[in-house]
Amino acid sequence: DVKVTQSSRYLVKRTGEKVFLECVQDMDHENMFWYRQDPGLGLRLIYFSYDVKMKEKGDIPEGYSVSREKKERFSLILESASTNQTSMYLCASTSRGYEQYFGPGTRLTVT
Amino acid sequence: AQSVSQHNHHVILSEAASLELGCNYSYGGTVNLFWYVQYPGQHLQLLLKYFSGDPLVKGIKGFEAEFIKSKFSFNLRKPSVQWSDTAEYFCAVEADNTGKLIFGQGTTLQVKP
Repeated sequence: DVKVTQSSRYLVKRTGEKVFLECVQDMDHENMFWYRQDPGLGLRLIYFSYDVKMKEKGDIPEGYSVSREKKERFSLILESASTNQTSMYLCASTSRGYEQYFGPGTRLTVT
Repeated sequence: AQSVSQHNHHVILSEAASLELGCNYSYGGTVNLFWYVQYPGQHLQLLLKYFSGDPLVKGIKGFEAEFIKSKFSFNLRKPSVQWSDTAEYFCAVEADNTGKLIFGQGTTLQVKP
């Protein structure tokens, strides 16, 4: 069965902290994605990766970076967390030509 | 820029009522189309998808959607909703087989028993 896991379901961090969100998929997918989900805005793409060590900016990359050292793992990094980054973060993976599979999400609160 | 618009933000229906959720996109090239559903407290999961062929596609739990290319639309339908259909529904478009999805704003469906 397809599985995308995220390191935490809930996370509370302070303003200015560096935050790491981890995502692991077990389907050998080439493509991985990070979204944030906010009420009334749907899902917005932050960053994506088509292969190991490759990354491309999505629609809202400011304040974020990513790392993909292994095919199965894609990390989202908030260099200096701010309150406007309080959100639900969703990771997804896919092989080209198929639908995306989503993880359970991490609800991040920055205080 | 590509965009996806879902016309209904919040829909309230009684059980057994029919459902239609609108989705329009702006892109003139090749598209793959998706409807995802997020039940309370659960993962986002695929409801149905259109890649090519018959523009009327059937998904899980009795849902279907029709791709009308001339109208740039991919509306979701269900003839008779159940209380368990209460969820948030997202339309998404992939342009030119890039693997990237553009999502609509989402529609919250509340079904009253």
